[in-house]
Amino acid sequence: AQSVTQLGSHVSVSEGALVLLRCNYSSSVPPYLFWYVQYPNQGLQLLLKYTSAATLVKGINGFEAEFKKSETSFHLTKPSAHMSDAAEYFCAVSTLDTGGFKTIFGAGTRLFVKA
Amino acid sequence: DGGITQSPKYLFRKEGQNVTLSCEQNLNHDAMYWYRQDPGQGLRLIYYSQIVNDFQKGDIAEGYSVSREKKESFPLTVTSAQKNPTAFYLCATVGAGAMDQPQHFGDGTRLSIL
Repeated sequence: AQSVTQLGSHVSVSEGALVLLRCNYSSSVPPYLFWYVQYPNQGLQLLLKYTSAATLVKGINGFEAEFKKSETSFHLTKPSAHMSDAAEYFCAVSTLDTGGFKTIFGAGTRLFVKA
Repeated sequence: DGGITQSPKYLFRKEGQNVTLSCEQNLNHDAMYWYRQDPGQGLRLIYYSQIVNDFQKGDIAEGYSVSREKKESFPLTVTSAQKNPTAFYLCATVGAGAMDQPQHFGDGTRLSIL
């Protein structure tokens, strides 16, 4: 079964510092991986997705993620944190079940940005 | 604008009461999903539907029911059998039925017990 593990339920960085949010996946087939962001009392928004076209994926708001098959990782980074980046971030993998397509989400990492 | 509308935004349930959460979409997407979100637990799948008049149980379907009579609508009923319904409920859709397609989310309904 496919799964994702997000290391660290909370991450705190200073404004202007590097953001690194970690995600490891478990998949027996080439995965389709996603990062989503959630602001308080809202639904999730897509940041970026990996679909095997390129290992370095650029997303919105200056975020990017690198797919590393040897490490089964898909970590999310941003060179310089902004106060508006404070939110919860979810790594996810798409899977096919007997009932159709499903998405498996990690437990989430809450990002705090200090002024 | 195309999107997903969840209503109401806040909902309160009395003991022994069934309540229904609405999810409507105008994205023309085939697949629709209901998730429950609790602090620190990510999103857990309740029910999903790939086509009209068909739906599947997710990981935590007990105490919930759904219907899919129209492509645009996928209401979720939280029954009195769900003993701990307090949570944030999210509806999502996926277009084109392919695994590389992302999920599109509504803004959620927060359910609390009175």
